Amino acid sequence: EIVMTQSPATLSVSPGERATLSCRASQSVSSNLAWYQQKPGQAPRLLIYGASTRATGIPARFSGSGSGTEFTLTISSLQSEDFAVYYCQQYNNWPPSLTFGGGTKVEIK
Amino acid sequence: QVQLVQSGSELKKPGASVKVSCKASGYTFTSYAMNWVRQAPGQGLEWMGWINTNTGNPTYAQGFTGRFVFSLDTSVSTAYLQISSLKAEDTAVYYCARDQGEAAAGTFDYWGQGTLVTVSS
Repeated sequence: EIVMTQSPATLSVSPGERATLSCRASQSVSSNLAWYQQKPGQAPRLLIYGASTRATGIPARFSGSGSGTEFTLTISSLQSEDFAVYYCQQYNNWPPSLTFGGGTKVEIK
Repeated sequence: QVQLVQSGSELKKPGASVKVSCKASGYTFTSYAMNWVRQAPGQGLEWMGWINTNTGNPTYAQGFTGRFVFSLDTSVSTAYLQISSLKAEDTAVYYCARDQGEAAAGTFDYWGQGTLVTVSS
């Protein structure tokens, strides 16, 4: 099973600042990497897939990069609504398998 | 618009069974695979597996074989998750999530609101 490791576990950022979240795969997943945002009490929302393609309706301040085993989600200028938990997910060997990272909580500094 | 509406919260005793429903609307149900994702209290997301909505063939992730069953009723565009012999550690929010398909297969563009299943004596 491919293990996804996200860092840091918690990121404290001031509104308007840039946030950089990392995700590492235990083996190459090519560009088969997605990012999701989850706010308390809500279902996750797809932000990025294919490592860098924004999903429908996602603001341009969200960008993804990387390939192979190292990936980054960047939020260029944090808005109040961006404070949430972010998960990466690999789908390189789907079907039949895919895995989520443990999440990074972005909190207000 | 695409919607996935799940059934309401459940409180069950250990050893009982539960069946969670996920009703889809706004798209052709059989054109997109359906996945199930578990989230234990305060924890991350755990993929449980998926069901081919064309064939009804389910695939279960490691750790979700035996007591977990995915099924469909395509006549009402609904997917189901049944869990038998419930244990306290099954307490979680269960989400259904639609697969985007095609080049983005394996990513989930629409999610149900989640169903909290609580297992307690």
